Amino acid sequence: EVQLLESGGGLIQPGGSLRLSCAASGFTFSNCAMNWVRQAPGKGLAWVSAISGNGGTTHYADSVKGRFTISRDNSKNTLYLQMNSLRAEDTAIYYCVKEPYTTSFGWFGSWGQGTLVTVSS
Amino acid sequence: DVVMTQSPLSLPVTLGQPASISCKSSQSLVYSDGNTYLNWFQQRPGQSPRRLIYKVSNRDSGVPDRFSGSGSGTDFTLKISRVEAEDVGVYYCMQGTHWPLTFGGGTKVEIK
Repeated sequence: EVQLLESGGGLIQPGGSLRLSCAASGFTFSNCAMNWVRQAPGKGLAWVSAISGNGGTTHYADSVKGRFTISRDNSKNTLYLQMNSLRAEDTAIYYCVKEPYTTSFGWFGSWGQGTLVTVSS
Repeated sequence: DVVMTQSPLSLPVTLGQPASISCKSSQSLVYSDGNTYLNWFQQRPGQSPRRLIYKVSNRDSGVPDRFSGSGSGTDFTLKISRVEAEDVGVYYCMQGTHWPLTFGGGTKVEIK
């Protein structure tokens, strides 16, 4: 059974940094591209970033480009999101989302339970 | 960016009655491989989203057959043949054809 367990969320001041993690199990992690998707309180879903199975290809939403970095450690079956220069508008639940293949994107078949990031002074 | 427009925003439905949600994209979602990467997701209150339909009309494992997806090009529809109480939640369409990947704004299904 696919399991995706996000962690690392919390309360952070504007301008601060945070690193989210997503521990994956139940599938061959290195064979699957991964995504981060966020949901602001009471709002809809927004794709944030994607990474291929070997980590060689990454994509970012314009709203986070230059501030967020997606990465993965296939030896640890873990996906990361390094978030710098955080703003109030980054406040959201961040979901880790699995793809079916190493370079296939946009399928979004499995989701984690999410981790809440609150940016506030 | 491809804009995904869902309607209605809110959909009150009587139990056992059908429901239909529209999703329109600002560009064709047909990819160069001939596939159309349009997904539908359900988010029940307090839960993570769950994919119901992928590539327009393919139902995910475990999804009741009262859910169906249809459409082509820029116009897509999610139908629930007979709404049950467990179907309450917000439904999102999402396109996986063009970068950046984008979602519709959501349709809230509630019981009358």
